[in-house]
Amino acid sequence: QPVLTQPPSASGTPGQTVTIFCSGDKFNIGSDTVNWYQHVPGTAPKLLIYSDNQRPSGVPDRFSGSKSGTSASLAISGLQSEDEADYYCATWDGTLHGPVFGGGTKVTV
Amino acid sequence: ELQLVESGGTLVQPGRSLRLSCVISGFSLEDYAMHWVRQAPGKGLEWVSGINWNSATVGYADSVKGRFTISRDNAKNTLYLQLNSVKLEDTAFYFCAKDKSSSWYGWANWFDSWGQGTLVTVSS
Repeated sequence: QPVLTQPPSASGTPGQTVTIFCSGDKFNIGSDTVNWYQHVPGTAPKLLIYSDNQRPSGVPDRFSGSKSGTSASLAISGLQSEDEADYYCATWDGTLHGPVFGGGTKVTV
Repeated sequence: ELQLVESGGTLVQPGRSLRLSCVISGFSLEDYAMHWVRQAPGKGLEWVSGINWNSATVGYADSVKGRFTISRDNAKNTLYLQLNSVKLEDTAFYFCAKDKSSSWYGWANWFDSWGQGTLVTVSS
C-alpha cells in the first residue's frame, strides 16, 4: 500500500477545475514539502510542482499546489484534454528514510 | 537538451540477474544524485534506490534491499542498477530520475528530470 493516499480517479470537463488531494502523516507530509508529478503512460514522468507550490519553468500556471498539515492538494484549472494523465504526490518519509509516492490519481477530461 | 535514456530491460526468469543502465546527456552527472523509480503493471510509482553524486551514500527501498545494487560511472555519464535474485513482483517499468541536489538523502528533494523507462518482466 502506498504511504501517501490519493483518490484513484478524478474527472472534469474542459475549462473546469479539478482538485486532487494527497493525505499523509506527521512523518512525511507533516514534516517535509510535497512534490507533484504528471505521468502519461509510455512517456517520462514530469515534475509539475515542487516545494508544495512552486512550478518549474515551462509548467502552466493552471497548475497550482498547496499544503496544510498532513495533506496536500493539486489544482488544475481551465482543464484541457492534454491534462489527461496520472498525477502523483511525493515527499520524504522520515520513518522509512526514503522518498515516498502516493498511489496516483488518473485524471480524465 | 537534458536526456536520460534507460536500457537493459528484458524478460528474465525468477532468481536470475540483469543490469539496467541509464545514459545521461545535457548535464554533468557528477553534480547530481540519481535515483531509480519503478512502476509495476497497474500500480503507481515506487522509489527503488538512490545514490549521491560521488557514490559515497546509497539507499534502497525495503522491497529490494539486499538484492539490488545501484552504482554510477560519472566519467561515462551512466547510472546502473544491478538486479539479482529477481522475483515476479519486480516486473515493472524502471525509470531513472535526476535529483535536484547532489545528495539523494533528506528533506526537500525532488526529481526534476526522468527517462522514459525500460521494462523488466520476470517470468518463468
